[in-house]
Amino acid sequence: SQKIEQNSEALNIQEGKTATLTCNYTNYSPAYLQWYRQDPGRGPVFLLLIRENEKEKRKERLKVTFDTTLKQSLFHITASQPADSATYLCALGANAGKSTFGDGTTLTVKP
Amino acid sequence: GAVVSQHPSWVICKSGTSVKIECRSLDFQATTMFWYRQFPKQSLMLMATSNEGSKATYEQGVEKDKFLINHASLTLSTLTVTSAHPEDSSFYICSAREGTSYNEQFFGPGTRLTVL
Repeated sequence: SQKIEQNSEALNIQEGKTATLTCNYTNYSPAYLQWYRQDPGRGPVFLLLIRENEKEKRKERLKVTFDTTLKQSLFHITASQPADSATYLCALGANAGKSTFGDGTTLTVKP
Repeated sequence: GAVVSQHPSWVICKSGTSVKIECRSLDFQATTMFWYRQFPKQSLMLMATSNEGSKATYEQGVEKDKFLINHASLTLSTLTVTSAHPEDSSFYICSAREGTSYNEQFFGPGTRLTVL
């Protein structure tokens, strides 16, 4: 069955460092992969989408890589700030348009 | 970015009653809307996909007679939890997408349902 694993339930880093979150998947061939941010009690907010034929995408301090051979995506936040503290979800998308979400990684950036 | 609203933001009801949750796309036409359920410290579980003017497609294990979805217009979808029970208590989130599957989904703020 399809499985999505995000590296750890929680990640704690110091302000200014780069946070790296991992999303691994099995038994899936996604057409694209998305990363979302979710704050407690709120709906997810879209951050980045990367397609299966793309290796890397950047947006301001965010960078996403997508390796379909390793079946893995890495999500980087450079120069992290306490305001970046949230739960980050990866979601795999099929051509039919449905997305399957991972359990998320809760990032805490300490000042 | 596009805005999706949900109403109500929270609701408490007695067991056996029905609850309707509205999802609206405020500044775009939502070709497709999705309904998710999220339990504490768990990920979003897709319940159903609805396209405007057609019947919703439910995920395996989701009772279509219990979770009624109506997508009557390009800006409004409703989820009705019929005969709610305590195990239906959860965070319900809708998302809306315009056009093709590569377009991003915009999520609503969620509705916290508590069934007593």
